Formats: sequence, structure tokens, C-alpha cells
Amino acid sequence: DQQVKQNSPSLSVQEGRISILNCDYTNSMFDYFLWYKKYPAEGPTFLISISSIKDKNEDGRFTVFLNKSAKHLSLHIVPSQPGDSAVYFCAARGITSGTYKYIFGTGTRLKVLA
Amino acid sequence: DAGVTQSPTHLIKTRGQQVTLRCSPKSGHDTVSWYQQALGQGPQFIFQYYEEEERQRGNFPDRFSGHQFPNYSSELNVNALLLGDSALYLCASSLQRQGKETQYFGPGTRLLVL
Repeated sequence: DQQVKQNSPSLSVQEGRISILNCDYTNSMFDYFLWYKKYPAEGPTFLISISSIKDKNEDGRFTVFLNKSAKHLSLHIVPSQPGDSAVYFCAARGITSGTYKYIFGTGTRLKVLA
Repeated sequence: DAGVTQSPTHLIKTRGQQVTLRCSPKSGHDTVSWYQQALGQGPQFIFQYYEEEERQRGNFPDRFSGHQFPNYSSELNVNALLLGDSALYLCASSLQRQGKETQYFGPGTRLLVL
């Protein structure tokens, strides 16, 4: 049972344009959401997060939107740069017995074309 | 400030053998989580250690065990290795506190079981 889904395995975008990566989740008890970027042969790098009490968080070129009623979040990258080419994972945090646990999606491979 | 470090970077074992992977958390972090990432998948939660105790566990058999030391570093042990255990093993560290608990990942250990 995949509680966090990234339905687009890959995405190609022209340099300078907007990249939109999507993520859906099923558990309404998730309270915190994160996006990670992963380059080959490296561990995931934290990018941006959002609490479930907010609907938007912005950090430079990166903005995360959360739609709780639709159980959907998205990551916008504007403008996209070739260095943004990587695999992007969304993750959701749930709490069980007082301990946090993170569930990851399967990732979306972003390719920014120069 | 050193980030999360893991050793070794690569490892080749044969079926039935045992393996130990090591992780040093980011400075100031007290919690270590371990993940298994198979090819084309997102990281799957194995377990989390805090105050030298296993706080939470994912859907992994007892062949997977761990330990956390007083200096917060951690080990992941896998016994009776199976071919399906071949994956990238990621360690993530964080600081236990309410609110924003962001996990920071190490570069991972790539395990190949032959």
C-alpha cells in the first residue's frame, strides 16, 4: 500500500521555464511534508518542507504548495536550471506511538534541457 | 560541520553472509534512521534509533537489526543475506523535537549480494 505516490516517473523541462513536480498521499494524519533532491551516487538532499497547517512555503526558486483537501502537494521550480536535473522525492511524516516516521514516494526524474 | 557520514561506500557479499554498515550523524543530531532504497524506488524505512533504543520499525524482518552508541552513531546489521537485500542503504539523522524535524541523509552504502 503506497501511501505517498509520485505518478510521473520523469519530467523534461526547458531551461528557464517552470518545473512542476507532483505528489499525492492517502493518509490524512500526515503532518509534515518534505522534498528531497538526489543526484546519482549521493544521498538525498533536503530541499524544502511544509507543515500541514500551511498551504504554501517558498525558498528562493523553490515553492511547495499543499492542498490538504485533495491530499496533494507540488513543488515548483522557477526558473529551472540544468543543475536542477536530478531525482526528486517527496516524503510525508506520520507519528506512531510518539515517534515520527517518514514515508517516501518513488521519485520523479527531472531533466532540465539547456 | 561534518554532515552525515556512512561507511563503507560499497560492499559485495554472498548469500547467507552477514554485513554491518555504519553511520555517524550530523553534529548535534541525536536520532538516526535507516532506509533501504532499491533500484527505481524511494527509500523504505527500516528503523529509527533514539537514546540507544529502537523507537520504530518498518516492515523488515528480524534479520535486520541495529544499534546506537552513546555518541549517537549507529550500525545496521543484516544477517543471512538474500539476493533481494542488494540495495542502497541510507542513514538519516535528525534532532528529536516537536515541529520541524528534518532528516539529513548520508551518501549511502551500496550493497551487492551475489
